[in-house]
Amino acid sequence: DGGITQSPKYLFRKEGQNVTLSCEQNLNHDAMYWYRQDPGQGLRLIYYSQIVNDFQKGDIAEGYSVSREKKESFPLTVTSAQKNPTAFYLCASIPRGGSGANVLTFGAGSRLTVL
Amino acid sequence: DQQVKQNSPSLSVQEGRISILNCDYTNSMFDYFLWYKKYPAEGPTFLISISSIKDKNEDGRFTVFLNKSAKHLSLHIVPSQPGDSAVYFCAASVGSNTGKLIFGQGTTLQVKP
Repeated sequence: DGGITQSPKYLFRKEGQNVTLSCEQNLNHDAMYWYRQDPGQGLRLIYYSQIVNDFQKGDIAEGYSVSREKKESFPLTVTSAQKNPTAFYLCASIPRGGSGANVLTFGAGSRLTVL
Repeated sequence: DQQVKQNSPSLSVQEGRISILNCDYTNSMFDYFLWYKKYPAEGPTFLISISSIKDKNEDGRFTVFLNKSAKHLSLHIVPSQPGDSAVYFCAASVGSNTGKLIFGQGTTLQVKP
């Protein structure tokens, strides 16, 4: 089955540590996205990439970094500069072009807790 | 500035009755709207969408209505089932075929047996 795999499911981090969240998709989608969800809030866009070796900042990119070396992979690093990193992180992807409307497909998420 | 708002944090309905979830937006540039359903500790799953050229889209028990003049959309679920209990997110975008979505805060729906 095609889908998006995020790992780890749960992650604990001490303050001051960087952590990297993995996102792998086998849907052959070109564009990939990272969203963050906080309690009582909607999802907010962190970073996105529409093609390999290219990515753009979303609405809340500060304290995060990404890379897109392969079409299938879009890891997110939460750096020590991120002031409130505890959240639920969601990776998503969407194909580019084609006829009709495409919709964003999400992974199962990674919950990061800073101790 | 919250461009997409779901003003009801929660909604409780009886099984078999209609559930109506509401969403308001402020950005006139939005021309594509989606509803996602989310269970705890899982990613959202796409439910239904509507383009601004339409005022209604139906898929089985789910119907989305769009009122452009009021900048308002609603999701109707008829009949509601206990398995529909989840958080529902409204989202909007400029253009379809984009993953750059603006989400509302979500409404938690509880369908009681």
